[in-house]
Amino acid sequence: DIVMTQSPLSLPVTPGEPASISCRSSQTLLYTNGNTYLNWYLQKPGQSPQLLIYLTSNRASGVPDRFSGSGSGTDFTLKISRVEADDVGIYYCMQPLHTPWTFGLGTKVEIK
Amino acid sequence: HLQMQESGPGLMKPSETLSLTCTVSGDSIRSTDHFWGWIRQPPGGRLQWISTIDRDGSTYYNPSLVSRVSTSIDTSKNQFSLRLISVTAADTALYYCTKERRDGINYVDMWGQGTLVTVSS
Repeated sequence: DIVMTQSPLSLPVTPGEPASISCRSSQTLLYTNGNTYLNWYLQKPGQSPQLLIYLTSNRASGVPDRFSGSGSGTDFTLKISRVEADDVGIYYCMQPLHTPWTFGLGTKVEIK
Repeated sequence: HLQMQESGPGLMKPSETLSLTCTVSGDSIRSTDHFWGWIRQPPGGRLQWISTIDRDGSTYYNPSLVSRVSTSIDTSKNQFSLRLISVTAADTALYYCTKERRDGINYVDMWGQGTLVTVSS
């Protein structure tokens, strides 16, 4: 299985400040069609996960533009340009290229 | 507005068979571009993709679970189901039913609220 490794596992943030989460995969997520298959999800407290980013850098419908994804091959980053209180929760990276689809352990983002 | 709701036994004993059903509302389970899946999360553990099924009944399974798991679909009831045999304490988890996209732009874009399954003697 592809192992997804996130860092940090806990991230205290200050509202209005930027935040960044890293994700590394044990194999490349670049496919022959040119797409790089890395998704990001946010699980807010008491809710199910919701899709934030797909194909490394594409925001899902309704996701604010303060969220951005980048990366290539095996190294990826999710950035929040200015954290808001509503952004707290657990962020997961996930690869949907190789079977089985696999997830990172999650990064818990909380307000300082 | 699509909604998904899991139903299941809650508490089980080791060696029993887990049966979960997901009822889909607000969209047809026959939609050609939809795939229907199951993901679980053990307490404090990592999300694990279990299985996926399409409207025609074609299935995809996690190789680590393939010997114990099966998924079926009932388009007349707009439901799909998961069956996991010979459960152990390691199968204790929050089980989500999901909707997936698998057309070259792959993602899980809808999750149910989850149903907790506890395996204990």
